[in-house]
Amino acid sequence: GQQVMQIPQYQHVQEGEDFTTYCNSSTTLSNIQWYKQRPGGHPVFLIQLVKSGEVKKQKRLTFQFGEAKKNSSLHITATQTTDVGTYFCAGLENNNAGNMLTFGGGTRLMVKP
Amino acid sequence: NAGVTQTPKFQVLKTGQSMTLQCAQDMNHEYMSWYRQDPGMGLRLIHYSVGAGITDQGEVPNGYNVSRSTTEDFPLRLLSAAPSQTSVYFCASSTGLYNEQFFGPGTRLTVL
Repeated sequence: GQQVMQIPQYQHVQEGEDFTTYCNSSTTLSNIQWYKQRPGGHPVFLIQLVKSGEVKKQKRLTFQFGEAKKNSSLHITATQTTDVGTYFCAGLENNNAGNMLTFGGGTRLMVKP
Repeated sequence: NAGVTQTPKFQVLKTGQSMTLQCAQDMNHEYMSWYRQDPGMGLRLIHYSVGAGITDQGEVPNGYNVSRSTTEDFPLRLLSAAPSQTSVYFCASSTGLYNEQFFGPGTRLTVL
C-alpha cells in the first residue's frame, strides 16, 4: 500500500534559524495536505497542494509540491517559539480507489528562545 | 458551530472491556474518519465513512467497529480492549478528501 515518509523525525533549532521538513510518497499523489499539531493539541490544517511543481506561501511558511507529485516540503524562515509543534504531511493516492489520506510520521520542531 | 466534538477526553480500561468513543460534527460534512496516534508513527486511519450508512476499513481496523447512522455521528467501538490499543484517538470530518480535514480534540485511551 501507499507509504508516506517524513524526515527528519525531530529538529531542534535556535529561534531565528530556518527549518525544513520533507515528505516522500511511494506512489504518485493527487494532492498533499499539511497539518500542524501543537503539543497536547489536535492537527490543524495549514494548506493543500494539488498541481505539479506548485509553491505556496503563508507568511514565513513556504510549501512545495514536487514535479513528479511524489514529494513535498515545508520550509519555515526565521523560526519563532510559536512555530513549536509537529508538522504532518498527508497524501491522497492518485488512483480511482484513493479514498484514504495517508499521513507521514510527522516532524517535531523544537525552538530554543 | 462546535465543529468536531469527541467524548470522553480521557478513558482508562481494563483488558477485555468494551467501550464506545463518541464523535459528532455539526458542519454537515459527508466524510468522517477515525485515526489513532502513537508516538513516532503519525496518524493511522482506522475506519472512515463517505456518508450516512457507508463505512469502510482504513489501515488498522482490527479490534474496532464503526457505524454511521446519521451524517452527524460516527462512533468508534472497541470490542475487547487490549493494551496495544492504548493511544490517542482523533475523529475528523470534511466535505471530502480533497479538502481540509477538521479534527476533534482527541480521546486519550489507556488499556491496562
